[in-house]
Amino acid sequence: GENVEQHPSTLSVQEGDSAVIKCTYSDSASNYFPWYKQELGKGPQLIIDIRSNVGEKKDQRIAVTLNKTAKHFSLHITETQPEDSAVYFCAAFANAGGTSYGKLTFGQGTILTVHP
Amino acid sequence: GAGVSQTPSNKVTEKGKYVELRCDPISGHTALYWYRQSLGQGPEFLIYFQGTGAADDSGLPNDRFFAVRPEGSVSTLKIQRTERGDSAVYLCASSLIGGRTDTQYFGPGTRLTVL
Repeated sequence: GENVEQHPSTLSVQEGDSAVIKCTYSDSASNYFPWYKQELGKGPQLIIDIRSNVGEKKDQRIAVTLNKTAKHFSLHITETQPEDSAVYFCAAFANAGGTSYGKLTFGQGTILTVHP
Repeated sequence: GAGVSQTPSNKVTEKGKYVELRCDPISGHTALYWYRQSLGQGPEFLIYFQGTGAADDSGLPNDRFFAVRPEGSVSTLKIQRTERGDSAVYLCASSLIGGRTDTQYFGPGTRLTVL
């Protein structure tokens, strides 16, 4: 099955700096890669996603890059703000054996702390 | 509109007891997923429903775990003879059709504590 590794496990930055979180995946059939933000006591919330036919996607201060050959993808947050502090999860979606459905496999999470 | 809701938000039970966790997906979403999140870890897939049927239950850890979605909307995750190792946050997510183009929207989770 799919295995997703995420690094670093914790990341501390000063407000205004950039933050980068990296993930690798094992299943070359994975074709959709969402990133979720989880705040304390809440469920994960989608912040950005990328599909396997695209190399990069940007949404304001957040960008995601995908390298299918190397099987890794990264989240970039620029001009970080204290409210960006949360746990961030990457995930990979793979279809189940020729079907149109599949499941997400999550990384272990990165605790991001942005200091004012 | 309303998001995914889960009840109860917290459940404390004793070892050996039976528990039911409920998920109300976003209206009109045909796909529903259950995940389990242990402390400091990412969510782990348990089961996926497409409509009323369980399309993939490969993540259920053993036969003490069972889930139903009888009318294709609300789902209930049932855990028999609970063990301390079942303590975790149980997350539910729904998506429109369940394919790879779908966004999965998560509920706030139910925190289960088995004493």
